[in-house]
Amino acid sequence: RKEVEQDPGPFNVPEGATVAFNCTYSNSASQSFFWYRQDCRKEPKLLMSVYSSGNEDGRFTAQLNRASQYISLLIRDSKLSDSATYLCVVNVNSGGGADGLTFGKGTHLIIQP
Amino acid sequence: NAGVTQTPKFQVLKTGQSMTLQCAQDMNHNSMYWYRQDPGMGLRLIYYSASEGTTDKGEVPNGYNVSRLNKREFSLRLESAAPSQTSVYFCASTPTGWVYGYTFGSGTRLTVV
Repeated sequence: RKEVEQDPGPFNVPEGATVAFNCTYSNSASQSFFWYRQDCRKEPKLLMSVYSSGNEDGRFTAQLNRASQYISLLIRDSKLSDSATYLCVVNVNSGGGADGLTFGKGTHLIIQP
Repeated sequence: NAGVTQTPKFQVLKTGQSMTLQCAQDMNHNSMYWYRQDPGMGLRLIYYSASEGTTDKGEVPNGYNVSRLNKREFSLRLESAAPSQTSVYFCASTPTGWVYGYTFGSGTRLTVV
């Protein structure tokens, strides 16, 4: 099983719609979860951390389901500027080592006018 | 602006040439990382440095060497470039370990011909 797995998409969504995508992770002891956004030919940028209780930042909501080992990202009222690749990021190695975070390959989102 | 600075932004090398990619951060972060990103492969960890004076191999270290020159700077060296090393290289830093998200530099696009 891959350590961090995402549906690569692309997800083609009309402007104003709500879109959600999930990411599964392999290590049940993982403790840190993030969503990153990467625009074409740019570096990944932190979108939001994912907390156990779930968290919201404007139009974006992140959820963690530890029992099923997945995290989700919900985008409401999608904008053209939301078009990007969304990377799921998890600390797969839970031993506390600094080798850090494992990145999913990303889900490509295209918002259509 | 505070952040992670990578140089150069673009580079073309001939097979067998050597070069060093530079990375510097001004956020007083302890941990620094080098990733490569290839289409369909996602971000893969090459080397990391948990703190000044330490370096460790990541997932794909072959063909690379690193130096943590001081707390701010972490360089990546290709001793004898190969076409398989054509990629986009990202440097990242974090205060420590995987608890916090990473801050990425803007990347170096390397082509080996």
